Amino acid sequence: GAGVSQSPRYKVAKRGQDVALRCDPISGHVSLFWYQQALGQGPEFLTYFQNEAQLDKSGLPSDRFFAERPEGSVSTLKIQRTQQEDSAVYLCASSLRWGLAGTIEETQYFGPGTRLLVL
Amino acid sequence: DQQVKQNSPSLSVQEGRISILNCDYTNSMFDYFLWYKKYPAEGPTFLISISSIKDKNEDGRFTVFLNKSAKHLSLHIVPSQPGDSAVYFCAAHTPGRRALTFGSGTRLQVQP
Repeated sequence: GAGVSQSPRYKVAKRGQDVALRCDPISGHVSLFWYQQALGQGPEFLTYFQNEAQLDKSGLPSDRFFAERPEGSVSTLKIQRTQQEDSAVYLCASSLRWGLAGTIEETQYFGPGTRLLVL
Repeated sequence: DQQVKQNSPSLSVQEGRISILNCDYTNSMFDYFLWYKKYPAEGPTFLISISSIKDKNEDGRFTVFLNKSAKHLSLHIVPSQPGDSAVYFCAAHTPGRRALTFGSGTRLQVQP
């Protein structure tokens, strides 16, 4: 497909369970972002990759959150020992490459998100 | 501490009229502002952006206005169409960072 895809679309986890969320960016996009969107809020930045390098993980809320992009394409966001406050929509976005802000290269294209519910 | 605020959670307008969505920010370092549109069960879609050195950017029915002194921007949609019904997010870019800072969104409903 032409857009960013994410799987699963919905995930229900029991508290304490580990989960893994997958993101397939647009082919050829160098930059990949993860955001967390709580109910009624806007997306909040979690982490950023340029190719396989994780250049910014300042938004990860705790060491239970881990992201990887080992081959510079598909990325996985892993949450260990899930808590109820982790319930949110997790959005992945990709952009072509580093460029001037506002340019087509920098435009972030979002996937549909994974809705995680922790019971 | 919310650096980007959208104080109106919802807005309802009649088809054909103007929709005005507002956004305030606190960080004077932001160098670019963007509007994203989101339909249910889909990810946000880029709509329009404006550089902090401009005060207006227009693209078809969509115009974004920036008032730097007031730290305020607005998105005007003229004329509004039922297909514009969605949640609109204001976002801001910080120089040197790749992450965007988003507001909490405004749900626009355009009544036929």
